[in-house]
Amino acid sequence: DTEVTQTPKHLVMGMTNKKSLKCEQHMGHRAMYWYKQKAKKPPELMFVYSYEKLSINESVPSRFSPECPNSSLLNLHLHALQPEDSALYLCASRGWETSTDTQYFGPGTRLTVL
Amino acid sequence: KQEVTQIPAALSVPEGENLVLNCSFTDSAIYNLQWFRQDPGKGLTSLLLIQSSQREQTSGRLNASLDKSSGRSTLYIAASQPGDSATYLCAALPQGGSEKLVFGKGTKLTVNP
Repeated sequence: DTEVTQTPKHLVMGMTNKKSLKCEQHMGHRAMYWYKQKAKKPPELMFVYSYEKLSINESVPSRFSPECPNSSLLNLHLHALQPEDSALYLCASRGWETSTDTQYFGPGTRLTVL
Repeated sequence: KQEVTQIPAALSVPEGENLVLNCSFTDSAIYNLQWFRQDPGKGLTSLLLIQSSQREQTSGRLNASLDKSSGRSTLYIAASQPGDSATYLCAALPQGGSEKLVFGKGTKLTVNP
């Protein structure tokens, strides 16, 4: 099973709302990622968790707060977002063995901030 | 700093044609190179991954090659079908334990019936 699942598929929120995006994988991968993708652009890395510890934070605004409760789950907590944060948010995971080096992406959450 | 370039930005071909998508990178110190497909509004689907020690990988009608010395990778699609229409992204993972994939901007492929 090479599947990364993300919920919700779509999210519309106001600038004062608090919401969370969820990501799950059951491939035993130890690295999980959050990306942000704007239209017609490649994905931009936001955060990397390696063995459930935050290993990369690409200077993302504090209104985005990642959380990794366990090795299978990754959350992205959203608070006081701006309209320019509207984008497709992608989660990915990666194994450590050469045979599982591929980054597997979820289907994404389409976020609209009003 | 690694930079990845994909040319052309868009490509339109008739069904059945064989085609090549190009990807170039500036720093040959890569751990692997990955090709993805993305349909509009969807996530990325991994197509092929080439380790730095490999020259090519094949999956069905797809063949990806890697030439580190020239900083180039190609994705060959045989007998293209309308269902192949999508944006194709290549991404290089630098050596040295980096977790950050460096993406090209993609090639938007349209296969016309």
